[in-house]
Amino acid sequence: GQNIDQPTEMTATEGAIVQINCTYQTSGFNGLFWYQQHAGEAPTFLSYNVLDGLEEKGRFSSFLSRSKGYSYLLLKELQMKDSASYLCAVRDGDYKLSFGAGTTVTVRA
Amino acid sequence: IAGITQAPTSQILAAGRRMTLRCTQDMRHNAMYWYRQDLGLGLRLIHYSNTAGTTGKGEVPDGYSVSRANTDDFPLTLASAVPSQTSVYFCASSPEGEGSNEQFFGPGTRLTVL
Repeated sequence: GQNIDQPTEMTATEGAIVQINCTYQTSGFNGLFWYQQHAGEAPTFLSYNVLDGLEEKGRFSSFLSRSKGYSYLLLKELQMKDSASYLCAVRDGDYKLSFGAGTTVTVRA
Repeated sequence: IAGITQAPTSQILAAGRRMTLRCTQDMRHNAMYWYRQDLGLGLRLIHYSNTAGTTGKGEVPDGYSVSRANTDDFPLTLASAVPSQTSVYFCASSPEGEGSNEQFFGPGTRLTVL
């Protein structure tokens, strides 16, 4: 099984940077995903890491260290629309996802 | 249809009743999944199907059943609903195999069991 931990809540100011950490313990690893979920909506895919290092996609970047069981999602130049929950998910050897409980990010003006 | 759809959007159900949540995708994805999402617990996998004709149990399968008669449809059935099955249910699909193959989620069904 998987044990995935991420902070429950974070608050930041518009235009700032926020880093959401995710640690995991896994019995098999086939990649780590970050999803964004606005209140009352479905999760949508943000990023995927399977090798160590940083993946950059516009204002969002995701980092992975497999040896440390650690990932982070970096949100730059925060906008009000970035207020949402961010879900860390690990894919196991059977290609099934296990999700963390999610981090609710609130962006303040 | 574009993507993945679920029905109904929401439902209030009396305990003991049978209920089927519908899920349909038009992306020809082989793999499909059912999750429930509860406050503080995140998304938990109920059942999955890697391809038409096959199904498997996830983390919380008790009280639920699924079928996969074809590629597009993956219904979830609660044979006799209980209040602890009150939740938001998400269906998802993904291409099979390696690579990012992210899961695409339906809009969800909000189920309340009284």
